[in-house]
This record gives sequence, structure tokens and C-alpha cells, in this order.
Amino acid sequence: GAVVSQHPSWVICKSGTSVKIECRSLDFQATTMFWYRQFPKQSLMLMATSNEGSKATYEQGVEKDKFLINHASLTLSTLTVTSAHPEDSSFYICSARSLGTSGPTTYEQYFGPGTRLTVT
Amino acid sequence: GQNIDQPTEMTATEGAIVQINCTYQTSGFNGLFWYQQHAGEAPTFLSYNVLDGLEEKGRFSSFLSRSKGYSYLLLKELQMKDSASYLCALTMFSGGYNKLIFGAGTRLAVHP
Repeated sequence: GAVVSQHPSWVICKSGTSVKIECRSLDFQATTMFWYRQFPKQSLMLMATSNEGSKATYEQGVEKDKFLINHASLTLSTLTVTSAHPEDSSFYICSARSLGTSGPTTYEQYFGPGTRLTVT
Repeated sequence: GQNIDQPTEMTATEGAIVQINCTYQTSGFNGLFWYQQHAGEAPTFLSYNVLDGLEEKGRFSSFLSRSKGYSYLLLKELQMKDSASYLCALTMFSGGYNKLIFGAGTRLAVHP
């Protein structure tokens, strides 16, 4: 159980174009989804937190107009990188927290496999 | 704010034991996670500590001291496949949400 998928797993796009990444919880409903970015040999940096049906909360320094997040349902969140530039090339990982969990791992997040974005 | 420190790199021998330390400073502490991440892959859950003490799970154990802001991950009977990055992460309540904030990670290399 608790499987999270991401699509696409990798994408190459030209500078100036937009790219949409989907994050789905396959066998559970996710109250909250998180988007992270990871540069090579660095740790995961939280970009934003989204709850179904409400606006995402962005971390300091993350441009909300550049990284558009839509959490349309309890199983789907999307991240759109608008007007992508080479410096946006990174590994984007989403995670989801299950609805209604309780106990010691209430705060556990389930991670998707990641999407590698290369902007040329 | 929060600050999480862990060693950048460690090496160990197959079959040995290795301890990866993590120190932290934070407010709104709601628990500490350890994740394993192989290159190019998403993190996988290893352990969760919210109370002081040792949590054991097979070859992996994790310890927490909240008063000292200190945790460690202990890996026993090391195998080559344990070569990976190990991420210490804090759960903290901020801005209305429980968030997971990661340390920089420790790259462990296991050699024969």
C-alpha cells in the first residue's frame, strides 16, 4: 500500500517552454502533498505544500508564479514549471500524506519516484 | 527556523557497523525520520522517532535524544547495497502544516 506515482519520470524541454509534472497517490487519499526539488549531490528542498482544494503554500524563495501547483483532488497534484530555464533542471519529487492515518507514523510521507527535468 | 547537521560522507567495510549522527536545532518538533536514498531515486522510509530512546528494526536502529537535539542511525552487518545517502529529516509544524525538512544527507560508501 501507500504508492505514489509521478509522470513523467524524465523530461527534456527547451528553454522558455512549460512542463507539467503529475503526482498521484494510487491506493490512498492524500490530504496533503509536498513538492521537493533536489540538485545533484544535495538534499531535498521543500518547495511547497498543497492541500486538496486550496492554494499551495510556498517556501521562502520559491516563486509561486513560476512553479504552479494544483491539487485538484485527493489523489492528484500537479506542478507546472513555467517558462523553464536551464537552472530549473533538477530532480523534482512529490510526496503525499495519507488521509486519516493515526499512530506513530501519522506524519509519514510517501514519496513518488521523482521526475528528472532537463532544460536545454 | 531549523538547522540540521550530519556528516557529508562516510565509508565502512562490508559486515561492519556504522553510526550516522544527526544534530538539530528547531522549534515545533514533531518527530525525526531517517530515509535512505539511492542515486536518482526517491527516498525510502527507514525509521521514525518521536520519543527519546532506541527504535530497532532489523539491521537498522535509530536513537533520539530530544534534550540534546541528537539522533543517530545505526546500520549493522553492512552490505554493499547499503551504499546510499542517508537523510535525517525533522517533522515540524510551521505555517499551518506539518512539514518534513531534510538535512543535507550523509553519503555512505560500503567497500568489500
